[in-house]
Amino acid sequence: TQLLEQSPQFLSIQEGENLTVYCNSSSVFSSLQWYRQEPGEGPVLLVTVVTGGEVKKLKRLTFQFGDARKDSSLHITAAQPGDTGLYLCAGPRDSNYQLIWGAGTKLIIKP
Amino acid sequence: GAGVSQSPSNKVTEKGKDVELRCDPISGHTALYWYRQSLGQGLEFLIYFQGNSAPDKSGLPSDRFSAERTGGSVSTLTIQRTQQEDSAVYLCASSLPPGADEQYFGPGTRLTVT
Repeated sequence: TQLLEQSPQFLSIQEGENLTVYCNSSSVFSSLQWYRQEPGEGPVLLVTVVTGGEVKKLKRLTFQFGDARKDSSLHITAAQPGDTGLYLCAGPRDSNYQLIWGAGTKLIIKP
Repeated sequence: GAGVSQSPSNKVTEKGKDVELRCDPISGHTALYWYRQSLGQGLEFLIYFQGNSAPDKSGLPSDRFSAERTGGSVSTLTIQRTQQEDSAVYLCASSLPPGADEQYFGPGTRLTVT
């Protein structure tokens, strides 16, 4: 069974601090996606990582795909209140049309 | 262009009543998904439509749940004889084929069963 575990479940830090959240599995994924969901909205795709060891940067956000394609991390530098939200990772199930979703990391950045 | 829209945005219903939730996907997106999200949790897959193929209903939690997609566009999720445990946010997403690419989500319908 393919599962995605995200940690921590909840993180509250001060503006300006750095943080890393994780998305782990015992299964290999062909790709992993990271979404951010703000209250009252649906998730919005931030990035897709495809190649083992790949690093992608989106402004202050750095995404990494593990060499074995079983895990991914999201690092935020100098967090801002606008980064507040639920961060979800997702990967395609073997069927290729369904996504398996992690439970998410709820991130709060305090001004 | 317009994104995915859902209606109503909020629905409060009494236990035992039926409810219908509507989703208008992005024009041209042949794949459509329904998910359920409990407070602060991840997404629980409910059902998947792709073009004219038979839908994948494997995620529907009980026979009280059903969904249809008319004309390959608008979809309706129906919950019969609602129970308090059905309270959640119901999200709809659409995507281009093959379906596991970027999914575009609507804002969701928050269902509260009293």
